[in-house]
Amino acid sequence: AQTVTQSQPEMSVQEAETVTLSCTYDTSENNYYLFWYKQPPSRQMILVIRQEAYKQQNATENRFSVNFQKAAKSFSLKISDSQLGDTAMYFCAFMKRLGSGGSNYKLTFGKGTLLTVNP
Amino acid sequence: DTAVSQTPKYLVTQMGNDKSIKCEQNLGHDTMYWYKQDSKKFLKIMFSYNNKELIINETVPNRFSPKSPDKAHLNLHINSLELGDSAVYFCASSQDFIRGELFFGEGSRLTVL
Repeated sequence: AQTVTQSQPEMSVQEAETVTLSCTYDTSENNYYLFWYKQPPSRQMILVIRQEAYKQQNATENRFSVNFQKAAKSFSLKISDSQLGDTAMYFCAFMKRLGSGGSNYKLTFGKGTLLTVNP
Repeated sequence: DTAVSQTPKYLVTQMGNDKSIKCEQNLGHDTMYWYKQDSKKFLKIMFSYNNKELIINETVPNRFSPKSPDKAHLNLHINSLELGDSAVYFCASSQDFIRGELFFGEGSRLTVL
């Protein structure tokens, strides 16, 4: 079974600084996707960034970037120039295909890291 | 236009009652999901449907019954509600494995008294 571990239940950062959230996962699959989702107090789940396992290049989206270490099964999220609006729960997630070549797949979440950006 | 919409957004009910949460997506996606988020914010998949066919059923009590009348709708019916069913229930949809991303509804907070 696939597991996703986020070892930091809570983190805080000062506005404009950089913070890194950790995520590790366990799988025997070779083809999969990794995601970071954000859940602000509004409760809405918002995709922050995604990474295809077959790509060596780390994904970036503006102030958000990942450090994907496939051999180590590590997928950390770096937030640069933190803003107050970044305050949220951040979930790391792993997606794998169900069956070979099938069109069905499953997304499994870690337990989340609550990030607070302080003014 | 909301891509994935759930109703109701809040639901308060007594133990033993039966309730339903409806979900609709207008994205043309083939796959829909129900996730449960407990009080500790842990998100756990309950069901997924692909084009009205049940794909994932994650050891959910049979008091929970999903129904997909067409690929744009996935409703969740819960019988004999228990205190432990109190949670936020999220509906989501996705197109295919290549694009991967799930699009979530706003969640439905169920409180069982």
